Amino acid sequence: DIQMTQTPSSLSASVGDRVTITCRASESISTYLNWYQHKPGKVPNVLIFRATTLQSGVSPRFSGSGSGTLFTLTINSLQPEDAATYYCQQSYTARTFGQGTKVEI
Amino acid sequence: EEELVESGGGVVQPGGSLRLSCAGAGFTFDDYPIHWVRQAPGKGLEWLCYISGDGGGTYYADSVKGRFTISRDNSRNSVSLQMNGLKTEDTAFYFCAREGGGFDKWGQGSLVTVSS
Repeated sequence: DIQMTQTPSSLSASVGDRVTITCRASESISTYLNWYQHKPGKVPNVLIFRATTLQSGVSPRFSGSGSGTLFTLTINSLQPEDAATYYCQQSYTARTFGQGTKVEI
Repeated sequence: EEELVESGGGVVQPGGSLRLSCAGAGFTFDDYPIHWVRQAPGKGLEWLCYISGDGGGTYYADSVKGRFTISRDNSRNSVSLQMNGLKTEDTAFYFCAREGGGFDKWGQGSLVTVSS
């Protein structure tokens, strides 16, 4: 099974900061990588799919990059509403989520 | 409006069974694979299983293989998750999710509590 490892597991940043979350796959997954935002009491929301494609309606402050085994999610100009846990997910074979990165503002 | 609506959660004793349902509306249901995902208290998201749009393909995580069965009835726009041999560690919120660009539509979640 493909394992997904996110770093860091949590971070604290200020409004206006640029934040980067890294996701590493245990084997190559090409660009079959999605990113989700999950707030308490809400359902997860897909931000980025296929590593770099911004989901319709998602703020362009979010961007994704990477291929193979290393991927990043970048949040530009961090806003208070970005406080959430972020998950990467591989969709190359079966599906696997990373363990999550909690972002505090 | 496109939506997925879940039903069937509840409290069950260890070793018991429970069946969750996920009904789709507002979109062409059989165009989309459907997945089940859960989140245990204080834990992250865990992918459980998948069924293809035509129901011909299924896949399971090792943690539920042999205990959980996913099925779908496209005539009723519905997917079900039959959970047998439930363990206390299966206690979680269970979500169904449609896969378009990533999991782009989710059900509201059903709480399953496994406790004696």
